[in-house]
Amino acid sequence: EAGVAQSPRYKIIEKRQSVAFWCNPISGHATLYWYQQILGQGPKLLIQFQNNGVVDDSQLPKDRFSAERLKGVDSTLKIQPAKLEDSAVYLCASSTGTGLDEQFFGPGTRLTVL
Amino acid sequence: AQKVTQAQTEISVVEKEDVTLDCVYETRDTTYYLFWYKQPPSGELVFLIRRNSFDEQNEISGRYSWNFQKSTSSFNFTITASQVVDSAVYFCALSVTPGGFKTIFGAGTRLFVKA
Repeated sequence: EAGVAQSPRYKIIEKRQSVAFWCNPISGHATLYWYQQILGQGPKLLIQFQNNGVVDDSQLPKDRFSAERLKGVDSTLKIQPAKLEDSAVYLCASSTGTGLDEQFFGPGTRLTVL
Repeated sequence: AQKVTQAQTEISVVEKEDVTLDCVYETRDTTYYLFWYKQPPSGELVFLIRRNSFDEQNEISGRYSWNFQKSTSSFNFTITASQVVDSAVYFCALSVTPGGFKTIFGAGTRLFVKA
């Protein structure tokens, strides 16, 4: 069974530029999560989708971050414009059902904002 | 508000030693789930265990064991006879049912196992 795929693995941008990350969850998984993991901290949930509907986005900085999950499968997370404090690893995860299930994580995208 | 505290930032042990990673959680909800995940140097978090708030039975899986105590709001993780491959960052997490099953992670404990 293929795992959660993410791309790119690394991205370096200047502040105020835009960036987009892509995630392909495990086939059949209804729930998809985007987390931000700042160095030395635990993952922080940014947004959670169930199929193509948003379950929770309370910690998503909506003035600059946006996410979508088209057709309930792949998802993209966008930052526009980026700030220095957005430097982090962005993790995508998926699970079969709700947030009570085991989550399967992708390798993450390491973003550096200069 | 919900919170997960992992007070140990880093632990260093010598191979074959036993080590316990502490996790203390806060929630007012009566229904919740607790998790442990491992993040090896490669970066991908790997699920280790899930426990619901109604099941306080301790669990053992090979060299791993977990002690869940609601009275102290703790869900501690013990590795027996540690190995170098156990070196990783370990995260405790809490999922609460109201509000869409949001998952809150602790800050993690970095475990170094020296040969």
